Amino acid sequence: DAKTTQPPSMDCAEGRAANLPCNHSTISGNEYVYWYRQIHSQGPQYIIHGLKNNETNEMASLIITEDRKSSTLILPHATLRDTAVYYCIVSSLTGGGNKLTFGTGTQLKVEL
Amino acid sequence: NAGVTQTPKFQVLKTGQSMTLQCAQDMNHEYMSWYRQDPGMGLRLIHYSVGAGITDQGEVPNGYNVSRSTTEDFPLRLLSAAPSQTSVYFCASSYSTGSKWGEQFFGPGTRLTVL
Repeated sequence: DAKTTQPPSMDCAEGRAANLPCNHSTISGNEYVYWYRQIHSQGPQYIIHGLKNNETNEMASLIITEDRKSSTLILPHATLRDTAVYYCIVSSLTGGGNKLTFGTGTQLKVEL
Repeated sequence: NAGVTQTPKFQVLKTGQSMTLQCAQDMNHEYMSWYRQDPGMGLRLIHYSVGAGITDQGEVPNGYNVSRSTTEDFPLRLLSAAPSQTSVYFCASSYSTGSKWGEQFFGPGTRLTVL
């Protein structure tokens, strides 16, 4: 699986958009980009995933560059409850399941 | 739906003891997996299963056994606990096919300490 690079930490003011970058320059053609988050040692929570098109759901938007070497997760109106570690993962569906390789992620702190 | 449940929440073992961490899901997911998370680290895959009767090794399988006799349950067995297995263990499940296959659901974790 391709490796990802994320900044270790970011701050964001409540109500503002949080833009979390991720580099995945060695991504393969069949690998998806996933984002998960982990709030205070709870189990990770799925946010969104995509292959090459931009994606949006009720939680966030995922912007993937045309060459697929990087992506950005956007939380449009961050709240204090969005404070968490955010993981960017690339993985393919092989053998009936996708094995996720978690790095150390980005610690997002949302402040008043 | 209860989602993914794990028992126990906390466990303390002595070196050499064995135990089973339980994981169950009620979403009829084919794919289930076990991860461990050490302090300040990301999760690492221990074992996974793509369906009842089928299991395979992940990144860090040594010292752990799994079996999958039903779709719902995926227990993780520690054969002879070692201090290096002190960690938080997470179970996860997901569909293997269809439009929802990318989303894995994680349990709340089991915090294990081996003395």
